[in-house]
Formats: sequence, structure tokens, C-alpha cells
Amino acid sequence: DSGVTQTPKHLITATGQRVTLRCSPRSGDLSVYWYQQSLDQGLQFLIQYYNGEERAKGNILERFSAQQFPDLHSELNLSSLELGDSALYFCASSSKRGTFSNEQFFGPGTRLTVL
Amino acid sequence: GESVGLHLPTLSVQEGDNSIINCAYSNSASDYFIWYKQESGKGPQFIIDIRSNMDKRQGQRVTVLLNKTVKHLSLQIAATQPGDSAVYFCAENWNAGGTSYGKLTFGQGTILTVHP
Repeated sequence: DSGVTQTPKHLITATGQRVTLRCSPRSGDLSVYWYQQSLDQGLQFLIQYYNGEERAKGNILERFSAQQFPDLHSELNLSSLELGDSALYFCASSSKRGTFSNEQFFGPGTRLTVL
Repeated sequence: GESVGLHLPTLSVQEGDNSIINCAYSNSASDYFIWYKQESGKGPQFIIDIRSNMDKRQGQRVTVLLNKTVKHLSLQIAATQPGDSAVYFCAENWNAGGTSYGKLTFGQGTILTVHP
């Protein structure tokens, strides 16, 4: 158990809909990262937050957005969903206050299926 | 663009053998590398990391080797066990002016199967 929790575990929705994925980082971790894992694209970095602020951005679509709240949990919002958005979405966390670590601890993921 | 690729998509070994998983990276500016293990239905799990100022790092039963000259990374697993069966990913990071901390680029992965 990495200490990172993600909800829901599974999500099935229809094209055009909007969903929110939630992540709680390990206790004390300030950085949260979101990744998308699909069969054809592999594991792709989407976005990183550090202590509430966006720190780095990857291949995140404009239809996707994220935020990190004062209690450090994060949400990834996916809108106008398309079939190709079906994937596993992972959250990872790292870096306690006063340090920075690249060692990221991954949650169990949310499997999104768009029908 | 930058990419991290693996030479072998699958690797089958016998229990007790040593395993070597290889990874090629293309960004010579990368300064940090990580190996992750992902078991079916789970998120990636950190195995070992190495910074670009090192060429070898050892952990428990695992060793990572970094050859910056040819931009090659390898993971060696000693006395491989059935529980080591998983997908192994290498990942790289470079801190471009302090703006890319944590932005890992993952390889496609190698499936390791350990036969009893």
C-alpha cells in the first residue's frame, strides 16, 4: 500500500459526459501528479501540482483540468469525454515539506470506461 | 520529441536466474532515472533510482546501471522470483530550468515472466 488513495476505482460513463477523479496523497506529501495509462500510449504524464500550485504540465488535453486543494487532495476533471479517453488514470505523490523528491508513490488508479 | 524506449517488450526467465531489463533514452539532458514495477491491477511501484552523476546503484536484489555515453539504462534483478513477474518501466526526468520537477517520461514497459 503506497498510502495514495484514489476514488472511484471504476467509472463507466458515456461520450460527452464529464467526470471527476479524486486523489488523496500520502500524508505530508505536497506534490501530486496525474498520469494516464492506455494500451496504445503507455503511461503518460498529464500534470503536476505542488502545494496547491501547478508545477509542470505534460500531454494534457484542454478538455481536462486539475486542481489541488488546501488539504492537498487533488481532482482531475475530464469533460466532453470521448471513447479514446478510456484508460487507467493514476495519481502519484511525493515531497514532504522542506524537501523535494522525485520518488513518486502511485495510487491504485481509476479505470475509466467511456461507452 | 523526447522518448524512452525499451529494446525488449517481453522477457521470460526461470526462477533463480538473473534478469536484465534494458531501456534506451533519447534525451541527453535527463538527469534522473527511475525503474518502476507494475503488477496486474496495481499502480506502478518504485524499485530504484539513479542520478546522472552515477553509473551504478544497488538495492536489495536489484542493480541499476546507467551508461550516458550510449544513453542506456538497465535493471538487473538477481535470483529472480515468481513474485517479480510484472511489467517494468524505466522513466526519466530532466529539470529544465527548475520547471520540470517530477515530469517523468515513461518507457513502454517490459513484461517479465518468471517460471517456477
